[in-house]
Amino acid sequence: DTGVSQDPRHKITKRGQNVTFRCDPISEHNRLYWYRQTLGQGPEFLTYFQNEAQLEKSRLLSDRFSAERPKGSFSTLEIQRTEQGDSAMYLCASSLDPYLGQDYEQYFGPGTRLTVT
Amino acid sequence: DAKTTQPTSMDCAEGRAANLPCNHSTISGNEYVYWYRQIHSQGPQYIIHGLKNNETNEMASLIITEDRKSSTLILPHATLRDTAVYYCIVTLTDKLIFGTGTRLQVFP
Repeated sequence: DTGVSQDPRHKITKRGQNVTFRCDPISEHNRLYWYRQTLGQGPEFLTYFQNEAQLEKSRLLSDRFSAERPKGSFSTLEIQRTEQGDSAMYLCASSLDPYLGQDYEQYFGPGTRLTVT
Repeated sequence: DAKTTQPTSMDCAEGRAANLPCNHSTISGNEYVYWYRQIHSQGPQYIIHGLKNNETNEMASLIITEDRKSSTLILPHATLRDTAVYYCIVTLTDKLIFGTGTRLQVFP
């Protein structure tokens, strides 16, 4: 078990460009979450998946943001037409299914730090 | 908005117990209390969770009041590596709603 991994760890982009981040969850985890964290604040929930189904999206997730988990394994988060306000740490977490009666604490990856110039 | 209230910061001497309080007066009957911590520039790390009973694991103890309106996370012998932001979260089984947490500084 290598934990949750995220790629890239750092991304610098110019305003207006598109960026895509990848998250690889712990292999047996069927839930995958995306959060965003700005400086001095706690992480904010963006969206989550149960297997390949996207079950909830925060109102923070504007039309420029899209997340996928096509085969129920890894996930991607794409931001189109980036803005300076998108600069943040993007965190991914995974867990087991809470409705299967298992421990379902979330395990977080190291995050992808996005800087929009 | 987060459903919890925590002090902004706390200090603790190395080797002493760190007691981090959390108020969650609006908690509902089936919501759990979770604690995570975040060391600088890393992703949050799960510590412990509980529903009604006190819980203990290799990292910490969680004391939940009988009315469930508050809880305390106890790190029995704090070390310098425990310096972090500690988040108390009330949740059902899905997304975590983080507040601003308590910044714990452990000093030598």
